[in-house]
Amino acid sequence: AQKITQTQPGMFVQEKEAVTLDCTYDTSDQSYGLFWYKQPSSGEMIFLIYQGSYDEQNATEGRYSLNFQKARKSANLVISASQLGDSAMYFCAMREAVRGSNYKLTFGKGTLLTVNP
Amino acid sequence: AAGVIQSPRHLIKEKRETATLKCYPIPRHDTVYWYQQGPGQDPQFLISFYEKMQSDKGSIPDRFSAQQFSDYHSELNMSSLELGDSALYFCASSLRTGGGYGYTFGSGTRLTVV
Repeated sequence: AQKITQTQPGMFVQEKEAVTLDCTYDTSDQSYGLFWYKQPSSGEMIFLIYQGSYDEQNATEGRYSLNFQKARKSANLVISASQLGDSAMYFCAMREAVRGSNYKLTFGKGTLLTVNP
Repeated sequence: AAGVIQSPRHLIKEKRETATLKCYPIPRHDTVYWYQQGPGQDPQFLISFYEKMQSDKGSIPDRFSAQQFSDYHSELNMSSLELGDSALYFCASSLRTGGGYGYTFGSGTRLTVV
């Protein structure tokens, strides 16, 4: 079963507007972490933002914020004031424990964001 | 700040050849992960090492092997290459207890099998 679900294969947004990228997750663990990564066409994987399962406040990093709704198991990424350079693939990922104290990151299928001028 | 270094950046091999990818983690990071990302796909976990011991194994083919050396660098060895092995291979490093800021990815090695 898919642990991370990103239901939007592609999204379009006008420059300077805000956009929300959806992510839902599935885990029975109490302790886990949620990440968003940006992957431009050049291929590198760029860390954007992190939310721990015990964090009560939504994470914020500059123009990025994470709308964490634990009961709904959702961790949506909000990008404010979109810029042309935000055009990229965005991956939601979850860190969960595997076999004791080892951890693994599992990725969603990604959302391709296009920012239009 | 030092990042995760992967080499080479690009690699072209023929079918049935062997390839070796290298990863140099961030100093003092104790865990290394390898991921494979096919064209238009999400990254798939291959294998991880904690303190030079294999800690978890994902969907890594038997033709692939990996190890972590005493200086903490890691190598992914791929033999009998197939066209389907063409992908972007990422290495990431972290502290096992690193929380949200512990995972740093390298720039990846783009392997093309012809």
